[in-house]
Amino acid sequence: AQSVTQLDSHVSVSEGTPVLLRCNYSSSYSPSLFWYVQHPNKGLQLLLKYTSAATLVKGINGFEAEFKKSETSFHLTKPSAHMSDAAEYFCVVRSTGANNLFFGTGTRLTVIP
Amino acid sequence: KAGVTQTPRYLIKTRGQQVTLSCSPISGHRSVSWYQQTPGQGLQFLFEYFSETQRNKGNFPGRFSGRQFSNSRSEMNVSTLELGDSALYLCASSRRPGTGNIQETQYFGPGTRLLVL
Repeated sequence: AQSVTQLDSHVSVSEGTPVLLRCNYSSSYSPSLFWYVQHPNKGLQLLLKYTSAATLVKGINGFEAEFKKSETSFHLTKPSAHMSDAAEYFCVVRSTGANNLFFGTGTRLTVIP
Repeated sequence: KAGVTQTPRYLIKTRGQQVTLSCSPISGHRSVSWYQQTPGQGLQFLFEYFSETQRNKGNFPGRFSGRQFSNSRSEMNVSTLELGDSALYLCASSRRPGTGNIQETQYFGPGTRLLVL
């Protein structure tokens, strides 16, 4: 069975400082992993996805994530936080052989001016 | 290209009523999935439709049902509403279902916020 664990429910950073949102996964097979972002009262937007072509995945808005099989992790990072990054971030794993997604519990990112 | 659209955006119902929510996928997308988002349970998969057939179903009671039309538009229905059904219902579309190692990115709509009183 696939699942993801987001290690922090809330992360607070100052504007211009790095962002690190942590995610560990559990999967019997090579997982399909995603990061989605949800701004208040909005739907979910795909930030990036792991396709097994490269372990370092670059996404939109300067975000990237590194797949580390030895650590079963897929942490999301950004070198410099912007006020517009304040949102809820979800680490997601796709069910093997199907299209249904399993979501982590989310990490709320606060950016302090 | 227009994104996933959901109607209505907000809905208020009372216990015992039923509700139908609609989702129009991105043009060319034939797979539609539904998710429920609540503060307590987070985001949970409801079901997926492709070619008018339900392919997968999450762990929800039979009061939750759905269907897909020949133009790929989808509806979900909740009968005999309970207070706990209050949630944001999200629809996502992809070109086709993911199978095996094929990854299909799902694009989400803005959601329908349902309040059950």
